[in-house]
This record gives sequence, structure tokens and C-alpha cells, in this order.
Amino acid sequence: EVQLVESGGGLVQPGGSLRLSCAASGFTFTTYWMHWVRRGPGKGLVFVARINSDGSKTEYGDSVKGRVSVSRDNAKNTLFLQMNSVTAEDTAVYYCTSGKDGGSSSIFDYWGQGTLVTVSS
Amino acid sequence: IQMTQSPSSLSASVGDRVTITCRASQSIGIYVNWYQQKPGKAPNLLMYTASTLQSGVPSRFSGSGSGTDFTLTISSLQPEDFATYYCQQSYSTPSFGQGTKVEI
Repeated sequence: EVQLVESGGGLVQPGGSLRLSCAASGFTFTTYWMHWVRRGPGKGLVFVARINSDGSKTEYGDSVKGRVSVSRDNAKNTLFLQMNSVTAEDTAVYYCTSGKDGGSSSIFDYWGQGTLVTVSS
Repeated sequence: IQMTQSPSSLSASVGDRVTITCRASQSIGIYVNWYQQKPGKAPNLLMYTASTLQSGVPSRFSGSGSGTDFTLTISSLQPEDFATYYCQQSYSTPSFGQGTKVEI
């Protein structure tokens, strides 16, 4: 059974930093691109970042470019999102998701339960 | 690529036929996917590459379109279908529509 379990969310002050993690199991993590998507309160889904299977290629959404960094540890089947210089606009539930049938697919068929990040002083 | 959904919300009754549209800012072939999200839950993939039903999704859901215009249709709305629906393009860097909330 595929499982994606996010952690690391919480309350962070404006300008602060946070590192989210996503532990993956039940599939061959090392062959999948992985993605982060967020949903802010009262807002829609927004693509945040993605990373290829060996971690050599990354891509970011316009709203976070320059402030976040996606990485992965294939030995531990874990995906990360480092968030820096956060603002209230970054308040959201952050989901990690995998692409259907592996590879570079961005058809998101498995999702974690999400981790809530709240930016507030 | 900008994805524009309409309407942003709609009211419907059980048994109604519901259609949600999504327009891309440029031609994206058939690279559109549809998701359903209920409050407090992760999104759920319904349809991919415009018209392919994801395994386990009821056949009352259907999708169509190509190029820039796409639709998601629910042929007979059921109580469990009241949710928010999103289109998403997978032609290039992923992007989502703003969502359509289907309410009673």
C-alpha cells in the first residue's frame, strides 16, 4: 500500500524557516518524481515544487521561487521542503504527492494527509 | 499556463447533471486532470488525460476536451459528490484551476 506521511508543520513567525518532510512507502520511491502542493485557507490548490528521481532537477512555483528548496533522501525514502523567509501567504496545508505510474508524471494519484503551516507572530 | 475554471461555485440537487469547465491559456493537448477535494481531506484524482477515468472512480464522472477547453461532467449528482473540484494541467510546470465548489 502506498503511503505518504508529511510532518514538520507548525506555527512559524514571519521571516522564519521551516523544514517539511514526507516519508514514502509502498512503492519504488527512487524511480518517482515527487511534488509538493499546498492549499491556503479559502484558496485553491497551488503547485509548490517538484524534484526528479535522483534529485538532480528541481522546479518551483512562481509564488515560492527563491524562498523554498526541495530535496530528497533516496536512502531513507524521504522528501523534504525547506521554507525560508516565510510570509502570511505561505500559511497552508502542504501535501506531498507522487506522479501516476512513476517517472516524470505530474498526474497526482497518491497524496499524503497534509501538514499545516501557520505563519503568524 | 493559466487554468481558468467556471463556475467558481454552483448549487445543485441530488440527481442533477453538473458540468464544470476549464480553459487553458494556451493549447495543452489532452494534458488535463481533474481532482475532487472534500473538507479536511487530501485531493482525490478523478480523471486524467482529459477523459480517462481513474480506477475506482464511479462512471457517472466523465471528462472531455482538448486544446484549450475541457469539461468535467457528473451525470447524476450523488450526496457524496458535494465537494470542490479542480482541473490541473500536466503539459508543463503543473498548475491548477481555482476550483469549483459544488453545494447543495
